[in-house]
Amino acid sequence: SQQGEEDPQALSIQEGENATMNCSYKTSINNLQWYRQNSGRGLVHLILIRSNEREKHSGRLRVTLDTSKKSSSLLITASRAADTASYFCATVNSGGYQKVTFGTGTKLQVIP
Amino acid sequence: NAGVTQTPKFQVLKTGQSMTLQCAQDMNHNSMYWYRQDPGMGLRLIYYSASEGTTDKGEVPNGYNVSRLNKREFSLRLESAAPSQTSVYFCASSVQGYSNQPQHFGDGTRLSIL
Repeated sequence: SQQGEEDPQALSIQEGENATMNCSYKTSINNLQWYRQNSGRGLVHLILIRSNEREKHSGRLRVTLDTSKKSSSLLITASRAADTASYFCATVNSGGYQKVTFGTGTKLQVIP
Repeated sequence: NAGVTQTPKFQVLKTGQSMTLQCAQDMNHNSMYWYRQDPGMGLRLIYYSASEGTTDKGEVPNGYNVSRLNKREFSLRLESAAPSQTSVYFCASSVQGYSNQPQHFGDGTRLSIL
């Protein structure tokens, strides 16, 4: 079963624009992580935000977390062609047995 | 620094054949995982090993077996391949199980079963 669902499924923007991807989930979480996957490659960890955090930054990445709405967003500012990839959110549930569940991803295309 | 290495990168099997997918990590991580990735399904956990000497089922374990050979290596075996197992298989590792630890992924094995 999928815990995280990304929205939109696909996004196409011009280089230099900002890209925003959203992730919704269903159960209480310990933390939420974002990963990037370039075509034909494995996933690469981008950023982790804990359930008691509301916002986190890493370079051109900004992640927000709203636990009351069970949602997170990933903002990539000043996008580059090299940002073209699929982006996945992954949730780690809270309490008891912790497991990580990946969403189905947002496919981002940045047009030069 | 290789990180997580998976072999082979590509494989074509006939229904009923068996094979083992290999995974090795050089980061001294305790936990290792096997996922499959299918279009529109995201990643689904097949098996994981929280530490050397332990293995546990994930979300979709049927048709697979695993071996944690040592701290570095975690293999996935298909005993009798079926077309439904056509997928891209990813191995991952983390310092320790889940929790607040990011996972590090290999580049996958693309498996087709005819």
